[in-house]
Amino acid sequence: QLQLHESGPGLVKPSETLSLTCTVSGGSITSDSYFWGWVRQPPGKGLEWIGTVYYTGNTFYNPSLKSRVAVSEDTSKNQFSLRLTSVTAADTAIYYCVSLIAVPGTTYFDNWGRGTLVTVSS
Amino acid sequence: NFMLTQPQSLSESPGKTVTISCTGSGANIATNYVQWYQQRPGSAPTVVISQDDQRPSGVPDRFSGSIDSSSNSASLTISGLQTEDEAVYYCQSYGNNNFWVFGGGTKLTVL
Repeated sequence: QLQLHESGPGLVKPSETLSLTCTVSGGSITSDSYFWGWVRQPPGKGLEWIGTVYYTGNTFYNPSLKSRVAVSEDTSKNQFSLRLTSVTAADTAIYYCVSLIAVPGTTYFDNWGRGTLVTVSS
Repeated sequence: NFMLTQPQSLSESPGKTVTISCTGSGANIATNYVQWYQQRPGSAPTVVISQDDQRPSGVPDRFSGSIDSSSNSASLTISGLQTEDEAVYYCQSYGNNNFWVFGGGTKLTVL
């Protein structure tokens, strides 16, 4: 069973860059059966997909965040990361790292980290 | 843009059956599979239905999913409601141009 664990600062200043890392255990991020990604949830609100990376290096981003977001992988550490630039209070959320299993006809979010709260405030 | 719309909240009594709807707009919901996730307070979401109507291992058979092309909607049905089913439920699918989308979530109260 895959396990995912988020790490990174819990407080980021407005206009700065949010950086989070997800460490994967129980499987390899170079597996062709999985994509890897990030989902966020503002306090008391719903889920928002942020971005996804495949082991080939292909990335996919939510159009609403595309100009500010980057998802990358470090295969040597079995980790993948999120960078979100020019943050505002609207980026305050619980950030989840996720695995997306590739099955015939679709991919979906099958494993989630516990989530980490990132607050944007001066 | 492809969007999924869910009712904000529903309530039902223990032992009863409830159905949560998820209506697609901007595309045919039957084009891509729909998943359903359960999120209990303070926890990460977990998948309860994948690929429209498949139950992952460990999910009780009280949970079932379906697609209705005529109304461009998906449904999650929970029968024999238990208090532990109280949670927020999200539908999710895949839009055009490699875009994963969630519905807004439905808060289910079992009282």
